[in-house]
Amino acid sequence: GQNIDQPTEMTATEGAIVQINCTYQTSGFNGLFWYQQHAGEAPTFLSYNVLDGLEEKGRFSSFLSRSKGYSYLLLKELQMKDSASYLCAVPTGGGNKLTFGTGTQLKVEL
Amino acid sequence: GAVVSQHPSRVICKSGTSVKIECRSLDFQATTMFWYRQFPKKSLMLMATSNEGSKATYEQGVEKDKFLINHASLTLSTLTVTSAHPEDSSFYICSARDLTQGGYGYTFGSGTRLTVV
Repeated sequence: GQNIDQPTEMTATEGAIVQINCTYQTSGFNGLFWYQQHAGEAPTFLSYNVLDGLEEKGRFSSFLSRSKGYSYLLLKELQMKDSASYLCAVPTGGGNKLTFGTGTQLKVEL
Repeated sequence: GAVVSQHPSRVICKSGTSVKIECRSLDFQATTMFWYRQFPKKSLMLMATSNEGSKATYEQGVEKDKFLINHASLTLSTLTVTSAHPEDSSFYICSARDLTQGGYGYTFGSGTRLTVV
């Protein structure tokens, strides 16, 4: 089986930096995804990491350590519109189906 | 880029009736599609993998007779919630994978909000 864990909720201030962690235990590894989801909408793709290290993409960066089964999503210069749910996900079942973590509800405050 | 269309976006039905949700890949062929269920403020829970031309593969604990999946073509999968009850009320999301996009290929529909009254 697989376990993919994230903190349930986080609160941060506009303009600040926040790090959302994800730990996973899977049989086999085929990369790790991060998605953003606003309530009642489809998840939107943020990043995909398959190798160790940090990948930066504008205000969002994603880090992966395969040996530790650990990833984080770093959001800089937070904006109110960043208030959303952030989901990490890994391909499972031979790398075909996508299994999601527990999700982190981020609230950005003034 | 790859687009997945899901219909309807919202549906209200009476207890005991059945509801069909459609998921279409608009500009690519998808031999495999995925159906998720999401409760309020919770993550996406994979229900089943829909396979074109063959039976769907259901996750543990998901009733296959309750949630009927049909994947009759390379661009269409349907989920039918049979004999719906209020506890089936949820947000259902489909996903398809465009294999030409490699690791970035999971595309999601816009979801269906089902309310059973």
